[in-house]
Amino acid sequence: GAVVSQHPSWVICKSGTSVKIECRSLDFQATTMFWYRQFPKQSLMLMATSNEGSKATYEQGVEKDKFLINHASLTLSTLTVTSAHPEDSSFYICSATPLAGSTDTQYFGPGTRLTVL
Amino acid sequence: DAKTTQPPSMDCAEGRAANLPCNHSTISGNEYVYWYRQIHSQGPQYIIHGLKNNETNEMASLIITEDRKSSTLILPHATLRDTAVYYCIVLGRFGNEKLTFGTGTRLTIIP
Repeated sequence: GAVVSQHPSWVICKSGTSVKIECRSLDFQATTMFWYRQFPKQSLMLMATSNEGSKATYEQGVEKDKFLINHASLTLSTLTVTSAHPEDSSFYICSATPLAGSTDTQYFGPGTRLTVL
Repeated sequence: DAKTTQPPSMDCAEGRAANLPCNHSTISGNEYVYWYRQIHSQGPQYIIHGLKNNETNEMASLIITEDRKSSTLILPHATLRDTAVYYCIVLGRFGNEKLTFGTGTRLTIIP
């Protein structure tokens, strides 16, 4: 149980285009999902906290107009990188916490590797 | 959240126990110690967490000192698949709190 999926697993796009990444909790409902970014040889950095039905909370330094987050249901959150540029190339990872039950931890997706040419 | 300190890297022979230390001297009374690991190019994987008692599950054991200022994650019989970066994180009980990842310990299992 507690499986989180991401789609796509990797994407290559041209500079200036927008890319949408999906994060789904497959066997549980999650009111809160998190989005992280990880550059090569660095640790994960939290980008934003996504709550179902409300606006995302962005970490300091993360442009909300560039990284659009939508959490329309209890099992799906999307991250759209708008007008992507090469410096946005990174490994994007989401996590989710089950709505109810005995677990009290976050489960992570497998990540999406974005390469902007 | 309390800050944690981990050694940047460790090696362990395959089949031996891997003991990964973590210092969290500023931990508060209601904060838990969580351990995650990240295998290369994958998302982090939850391992174990605890408050003050030692914990064990199918993946690992967590030993927390009596003063709670440090802990040790133990992988009892390390395999090559345990090669990963291991993160020790301190935070409150609820899973919907944001996680702050430090630099972790890069554990390499040697055949």
